[in-house]
Amino acid sequence: AQSVAQPEDQVNVAEGNPLTVKCTYSVSGNPYLFWYVQYPNRGLQFLLKYITGDNLVKGSYGFEAEFNKSQTSFHLKKPSALVSDSALYFCAVRGTNAGKSTFGDGTTLTVKP
Amino acid sequence: EAGVAQSPRYKIIEKRQSVAFWCNPISGHATLYWYQQILGQGPKLLIQFQNNGVVDDSQLPKDRFSAERLKGVDSTLKIQPAKLEDSAVYLCASSTSTGHNEQFFGPGTRLTVL
Repeated sequence: AQSVAQPEDQVNVAEGNPLTVKCTYSVSGNPYLFWYVQYPNRGLQFLLKYITGDNLVKGSYGFEAEFNKSQTSFHLKKPSALVSDSALYFCAVRGTNAGKSTFGDGTTLTVKP
Repeated sequence: EAGVAQSPRYKIIEKRQSVAFWCNPISGHATLYWYQQILGQGPKLLIQFQNNGVVDDSQLPKDRFSAERLKGVDSTLKIQPAKLEDSAVYLCASSTSTGHNEQFFGPGTRLTVL
């Protein structure tokens, strides 16, 4: 069975500092990996995805993520955090042979001025 | 383009009552998903449609939950009878048919069962 772990419920960073939100996964075969963001009172929005190719994926709002096959990880990163990045972030995995996506339980990112 | 539409946005019912949720996906999106998101958890897939056929309903509690997608566009998710543990946000999402495409989510319906 496929699964996603987001080991940190909460990540706090100061504005201007780099941020990392961690994600590890388990899936049969090769993965499709996604990051979504949920702002207060708004629906989930797609940030970025890894399908194949370059391990460093760039997405919306200056976010990027690095796929590491040996560590089965797909950590979300941003070089300089903004207060407006404060939100709930979800990692999701989908096996290339399976139909459904599995989501992690989310990490709340708080960026303080 | 218009996003995924869901209604109602909020619903409060008593246990053992029935409730229905409606979803209109993005035009042209063949795949439609219903998720249950319990507070503090990630979305859990209940059912996935490809056009009007079911792709995956392995996590749908079929004794009380049902869903349909007539004509391969709009979809309805029903709970009958509701239990206290059904209190959650029900999310509808859609995507184009290929497996690596991202999903577009609606605003969700927050269900409270008393």
